[in-house]
Amino acid sequence: EAGVAQSPRYKIIEKRQSVAFWCNPISGHATLYWYQQILGQGPKLLIQFQNNGVVDDSQLPKDRFSAERLKGVDSTLKIQPAKLEDSAVYLCASSHLVRGRIDTQYFGPGTRLTVL
Amino acid sequence: KNQVEQSPQSLIILEGKNCTLQCNYTVSPFSNLRWYKQDTGRGPVSLTIMTFSENTKSNGRYTATLDADTKQSSLHITASQLSDSASYICVVSAAATGGFKTIFGAGTRLFVKA
Repeated sequence: EAGVAQSPRYKIIEKRQSVAFWCNPISGHATLYWYQQILGQGPKLLIQFQNNGVVDDSQLPKDRFSAERLKGVDSTLKIQPAKLEDSAVYLCASSHLVRGRIDTQYFGPGTRLTVL
Repeated sequence: KNQVEQSPQSLIILEGKNCTLQCNYTVSPFSNLRWYKQDTGRGPVSLTIMTFSENTKSNGRYTATLDADTKQSSLHITASQLSDSASYICVVSAAATGGFKTIFGAGTRLFVKA
C-alpha cells in the first residue's frame, strides 16, 4: 500500500512569512496527526483529526498555526506568521485501529522547515 | 504527569556488537508501547508494539521487552549493522476520551561504526 505522502520535503522562509504543508494519509485511515519535531527531540503532537473533526489540538499554537482536514482525507498545516523557533521537521502520520484497540501510526517523510 | 524517558541519549557501538536501549514511562492508563526507528531525514517506522499482556516482541534482530509492573521497556539489537545507525524512539499510548493519547520519548541516537 502507498505510504503517507507529504509535500514539500524542504522549505526555507524568512520570519514573519507564511508557509503551508500538505499531507495525504494512507487510504482508509480515519485518524491523521501533525507533529513538530525539533532537532534532537522526539515528535510533539500538534493536532489530531478523526475523519474531519479535531480530537486533540491542545498543543497547537493557535495564534499562528492552523490545520484543516476538509472531506476527511488530506490535510494542510499552516503557519502564519513564522518565527525562528518554528524551524523543525513537521511530520504527518495516519492510523487505523488494529484489533479495535491499538493505534498503529504510519509516518510520512516529513517537511523540514527552516525559518531565517 | 505522563512522561517517557529514554536512556542513553546517544550510543556508539562497533558493527556486530549487541546493545540495549532503555525506556521508562509514567503513562496511565497504559494502552500500548511501541518502538520506532527513525533514520536521518525520514519519518519514524514502527519496529514493535506491545500491549499490557505482552512482555516480549521480536522483529528480526530487534527484541523489545516490557515490564508493566515497573513501567520499563528495553529494545535489544543483536549483531548490529551499519544500517542500524538511527534514532530509536519509545512511544507510549494511554487510553483517553475519544481515542488514545500518545507520548513520545526524546529518542536514543545510535551510531554503529565499522
